[in-house]
Amino acid sequence: EDQVTQSPEALRLQEGESSSLNCSYTVSGLRGLFWYRQDPGKGPEFLFTLYSAGEEKEKERLKATLTKKESFLHITAPKPEDSATYLCAVQANDYKLSFGAGTTVTVRA
Amino acid sequence: EAQVTQNPRYLITVTGKKLTVTCSQNMNHEYMSWYRQDPGLGLRQIYYSMNVEVTDKGDVPEGYKVSRKEKRNFPLILESPSPNQTSLYFCASSPRSGIATYEQYFGPGTRLTVT
Repeated sequence: EDQVTQSPEALRLQEGESSSLNCSYTVSGLRGLFWYRQDPGKGPEFLFTLYSAGEEKEKERLKATLTKKESFLHITAPKPEDSATYLCAVQANDYKLSFGAGTTVTVRA
Repeated sequence: EAQVTQNPRYLITVTGKKLTVTCSQNMNHEYMSWYRQDPGLGLRQIYYSMNVEVTDKGDVPEGYKVSRKEKRNFPLILESPSPNQTSLYFCASSPRSGIATYEQYFGPGTRLTVT
């Protein structure tokens, strides 16, 4: 059975304090790994898709990387507006999409 | 504006009273899906549709029905709601189904409480 585990569950950072979120997965053949951002009371918003080990994507203060067993979302010099829940999802070869439970990031000024 | 809309946004109902949550997208997307989100469990797929008149079960389909008669609409039907269906529901759409992999666009969510 496909599994997606995100850690930590919650992360509290000071503004400017860089950190990383982890998404580890077991899947029967990876078609793609997705990162989403979810603000309270809103639907998830797409950030990145990664397809193969070694791939990296960047957007502003966020950088996503992928290995054969996990993905990291690095937040560099975070600002309060980066506070959100970050969701990881993997799509297997059978096109089934499985989500992790998310990491809630709080950035204090 | 390209978007996925859901109605209602909030709903409180009683056990056994049939309800429908509507979902509509204006992006001409082929793929649509329903999820429920519960604390600590993440998003779990209920049903999905690869195109008009094509629907299939996700991970947690029990107690739910869907239909896809038009490309833009994908309603979620609870024939006899029960308290364990109290949850936050999201509709999502994606540009294309088939062999490609595409990101999904989510609606704003419907918070359902069944008493």
